[in-house]
Amino acid sequence: SQQGEEDPQALSIQEGENATMNCSYKTSINNLQWYRQNSGRGLVHLILIRSNEREKHSGRLRVTLDTSKKSSSLLITASRAADTASYFCATDALSSFYNQGGKLIFGQGTELSVKP
Amino acid sequence: EAGVTQFPSHSVIEKGQTVTLRCDPISGHDNLYWYRRVMGKEIKFLLHFVKESKQDESGMPNNRFLAERTGGTYSTLKVQPAELEDSGVYFCASSQDRTYASYEQYFGPGTRLTVT
Repeated sequence: SQQGEEDPQALSIQEGENATMNCSYKTSINNLQWYRQNSGRGLVHLILIRSNEREKHSGRLRVTLDTSKKSSSLLITASRAADTASYFCATDALSSFYNQGGKLIFGQGTELSVKP
Repeated sequence: EAGVTQFPSHSVIEKGQTVTLRCDPISGHDNLYWYRRVMGKEIKFLLHFVKESKQDESGMPNNRFLAERTGGTYSTLKVQPAELEDSGVYFCASSQDRTYASYEQYFGPGTRLTVT
């Protein structure tokens, strides 16, 4: 079954507004990562949060993790047109890490559109 | 430092033909992963190499897919014979040492495969 599910599937905002994307997962994790994919390009790693962390910041990005609810959120503040992309959360299942080396399980992604 | 590279960037083949995708990981990275995204759906894990050994190939869809990593450096993913449902973007990723408690996977730009 799919590990990560994201919502919303699509989000359209104006430049300068904040964008919030949510991710839920099903099994115990070692860490959770957020990636961005610009159209036609590869995945760019944004931020990693470990299972014992609750919040992490990187520039205009803020990630929270609630392991009791098995959910995470990605907040992009003061969005820019260049932030338009697909955003994916990916989990590294704890059992997978110790047994097999940490394959990532991705959600379906959120398509973010930031209008100038 | 060079990132993960993939070749070709785009391949268009007919059903029944063979295609070989190549991935060059970041130098020194023991872990190499293949993922694919089909028809705008979620990104799914295919397999994981640790050096030249297949650590986890649970995501390989069927025996038409063959992955190799000779010498523990670059990897190839061969699809033979290709079917229409194989169309999608194939991503390769690499990471450093699996003994780290958590680590980042660095993704290549992907190979877009179109089977007609």
